[in-house]
Amino acid sequence: EPEVTQTPSHQVTQMGQEVILRCVPISNHLYFYWYRQILGQKVEFLVSFYNNEISEKSEIFDDQFSVERPDGSNFTLKIRSTKLEDSAMYFCAIKDSGETQYFGPGTRLLVL
Amino acid sequence: EDKVVQSPLSLVVHEGDTVTLNCSYEVTNFRSLLWYKQEKKAPTFLFMLTSSGIEKKSGRLSSILDKKELSSILNITATQTGDSAIYLCAVSPQTGANNLFFGTGTRLTVIP
Repeated sequence: EPEVTQTPSHQVTQMGQEVILRCVPISNHLYFYWYRQILGQKVEFLVSFYNNEISEKSEIFDDQFSVERPDGSNFTLKIRSTKLEDSAMYFCAIKDSGETQYFGPGTRLLVL
Repeated sequence: EDKVVQSPLSLVVHEGDTVTLNCSYEVTNFRSLLWYKQEKKAPTFLFMLTSSGIEKKSGRLSSILDKKELSSILNITATQTGDSAIYLCAVSPQTGANNLFFGTGTRLTVIP
């Protein structure tokens, strides 16, 4: 099973601040995804990334969100101006040519 | 709108019992259905199902897909306390990046 790490494991921030969540796959992969899970709710798709560009995004992924692979390895999710309702667990997932997505351990974001 | 419904929402059993978890879906252009186990943080992959009637098995866990009924079941035999977790069902449509739509999960608690 492919290994994915995420940093930080926890992040506490003030409303209105910018946060950057990082995903580091151990080896190279084709597809990258961000999902979030608000406490007690289901896992929700945010965005998929393929060939260095966004492939699809959900309604949740509005203008305050952005993704990139700045160095061809790390895959980042930036939230420009955090809101209270952005508090959630954020998961990175990776996939190759098959159909199985493998998830990282997640970053728990708390916006105060 | 794509939808994944899991039942029951929660289940408490004794060690050694057999359990059956259900997942039904409505999705445009179905491609595959995946089961994940979520303990503390990240969903860990269990099974991926694409064809009806073919059972996938891993130890005490097994799963099968019924595309006519738009549903899948996950069976766990001889349950152990280590099986306690939230079991997530996700469906992947035939879109380019195969984003996953998750159900709310079934919380399984196995009592010694």
